[in-house]
Amino acid sequence: GDSVTQKQGQVTLSEDDFLFINCTYSTTTYPTLLWYVQYPGQGPQLLLKVTTANNKGISRGFEATYDKGTTSFHLQKASVQESDSAVYFCALVPYNNAGAKLTFGGGTRLMVRP
Amino acid sequence: GGIITQTPKFLIGQEGQKLTLKCQQNFNHDTMYWYRQDSGKGLRLIYYSITENDLQKGDLSEGYDASREKKSSFSLTVTSAQKNEMAVFLCASRPGLQDTQYFGPGTRLLVL
Repeated sequence: GDSVTQKQGQVTLSEDDFLFINCTYSTTTYPTLLWYVQYPGQGPQLLLKVTTANNKGISRGFEATYDKGTTSFHLQKASVQESDSAVYFCALVPYNNAGAKLTFGGGTRLMVRP
Repeated sequence: GGIITQTPKFLIGQEGQKLTLKCQQNFNHDTMYWYRQDSGKGLRLIYYSITENDLQKGDLSEGYDASREKKSSFSLTVTSAQKNEMAVFLCASRPGLQDTQYFGPGTRLLVL
């Protein structure tokens, strides 16, 4: 079956640092890849979506890039702020997925020190 | 716009008790989902429903029942609460054929 792996369980940065979170996946289809962000006390919300067609997504200063060759996609931001502190999940949607079952990674908790 | 409402926000039960969590969405979305999120971990799918009265098992359905009585509501029942299933339960919905799922704020379950 499909799987998604986030090896970084927690990342601690200072404001204005560069953020890089990596995610690797395994699937037999051509997937759509998603990044969700979850703030404390809230449900996850979609941050970015990347497809095999566009390879890259940009939103709110975050950029997600997909590398089919290494089956990885990562999330980056040039300069993080304290308000970016949250848990970031990558997720995979297989191609032609009638039920749209998402497979989630374990999440990366980002803590940004002021 | 729309919203997903989950009730209750906090649910405290006794071990062995049957407990029900409720979810309502006013997006008019077809598909709804229940996920379990354990502390510091990712989301695992319990049940989903493609339309009213439809039920599909996820990876973690054992010990749970679900019911989709109407398009806007999806309920989840913990058939016999156990201490090792204290977690946050998240409801989500999806419009038509889009990939994006929209999540509610969650119900935090505590089993004494």
